[in-house]
Amino acid sequence: EDQVTQSPEALRLQEGESSSLNCSYTVSGLRGLFWYRQDPGKGPEFLFTLYSAGEEKEKERLKATLTKKESFLHITAPKPEDSATYLCAVQANIVQGNQGGKLIFGQGTELSVKP
Amino acid sequence: GAGVSQTPSNKVTEKGKYVELRCDPISGHTALYWYRQSLGQGPEFLIYFQGTGAADDSGLPNDRFFAVRPEGSVSTLKIQRTERGDSAVYLCASSLFGQGKYSGANVLTFGAGSRLTVL
Repeated sequence: EDQVTQSPEALRLQEGESSSLNCSYTVSGLRGLFWYRQDPGKGPEFLFTLYSAGEEKEKERLKATLTKKESFLHITAPKPEDSATYLCAVQANIVQGNQGGKLIFGQGTELSVKP
Repeated sequence: GAGVSQTPSNKVTEKGKYVELRCDPISGHTALYWYRQSLGQGPEFLIYFQGTGAADDSGLPNDRFFAVRPEGSVSTLKIQRTERGDSAVYLCASSLFGQGKYSGANVLTFGAGSRLTVL
């Protein structure tokens, strides 16, 4: 069964204090791994897609990396506006027909950055 | 439209009542998804439409839940005989997945959700 586990559940940082969020996954053939950001009262907002082990993507203070078993979201010198819940999700390779379109999400990491 | 629109944004109902939640996807997106998110949890897959048909309904928890997309655009999630455990945020998302020669990974665009509270 496809599964995603994120750690820690919550992370509190001081402004400027760099850290990493972990996403461990098991999937029957990875089509893509996704990172989303979710602010309170809003839907998830797309950040990155990673396709294969060794791939990295960056956006401002965020950098996502991927291995065969896990992904990391590195946050460099975070600011209070980076406070949000970060969600990781996987999409499996298509098995048959239109099956395989769904994303399986982890439970998220709630990040709080204090000034 | 410019984004995924969901109505109502909030719905409070009594146990046993029937509710409908509506999703208007991004224009041109043939793939539409419903997810359910409980407090402190990640989104849980419910059902996925490709055009008018449900391509994967494996996440629907029981037969009280039903979804339709009769014209391949707007979708309605229907919940019969609501229970307190149905209280959650119901998220809708759409994407280009499955269209023509599109073969990339499936980037979903989400709406803001409909918060359902069953008293």
